[in-house]
Amino acid sequence: EIVLTQSPGTLSLSPGERATLSCRASQSISSTFLAWYQQKPGQAPRLLIYGASRRATGTPHRFSGSGSGTDFSLTISRLEPEDFAVYYCQQSGTFGQGTWLEIK
Amino acid sequence: QLQLHESGPGLVKPSETLSLTCTVSGDSISTSDYYWAWIRQPPGKGLEWIATIFYSGTTYYKPSLKSRFTISIDTSRDQFSLKLSSVTAADTAVYYCVTYRSTSGFEYWGQGTLVTVSS
Repeated sequence: EIVLTQSPGTLSLSPGERATLSCRASQSISSTFLAWYQQKPGQAPRLLIYGASRRATGTPHRFSGSGSGTDFSLTISRLEPEDFAVYYCQQSGTFGQGTWLEIK
Repeated sequence: QLQLHESGPGLVKPSETLSLTCTVSGDSISTSDYYWAWIRQPPGKGLEWIATIFYSGTTYYKPSLKSRFTISIDTSRDQFSLKLSSVTAADTAVYYCVTYRSTSGFEYWGQGTLVTVSS
């Protein structure tokens, strides 16, 4: 079973800064099946990125995904106040443990 | 646009069976475009995939959970369901019903239903 490890666990940044979140797989996976989600308190997760780098409908352009093999990342170019949330990566039936992006 | 809505008891006693239903609107559940899945999230914790079903009845389960969960589909009602037997406090969680495609992940989510296991 593939394990996805996200880092850091918590990322403290200010609005306007750049955020880079990491997702590492325990074995090589196809980028076709790697997705990222955003979850705000009290809400269901929302699909942001699929196929490692493709934005889902409604995902702002400041969000971008990249990576291949075992190392993937989600980058938010300039943080907006509404971006502070928990982010999960996912491949098939496995989720990472999440990265909490908090306001510094 | 697809919409999913979970329904369930809210509170279940230990050792009982939990039954949840997801009602799909905006498209037929018999579409070959999506698989239908259940995901849960214990309070303050991460996401855990439980099971997935296709309109044909083909099912997939998380191996560690397979023995206690049953997923089913009712195409005549555009609903799919989840049963969990012998619940314990560890099954307390928000349960989400979701669409799934391998190439685009879990795309459409219900709002989630909190299930608390307590006597």
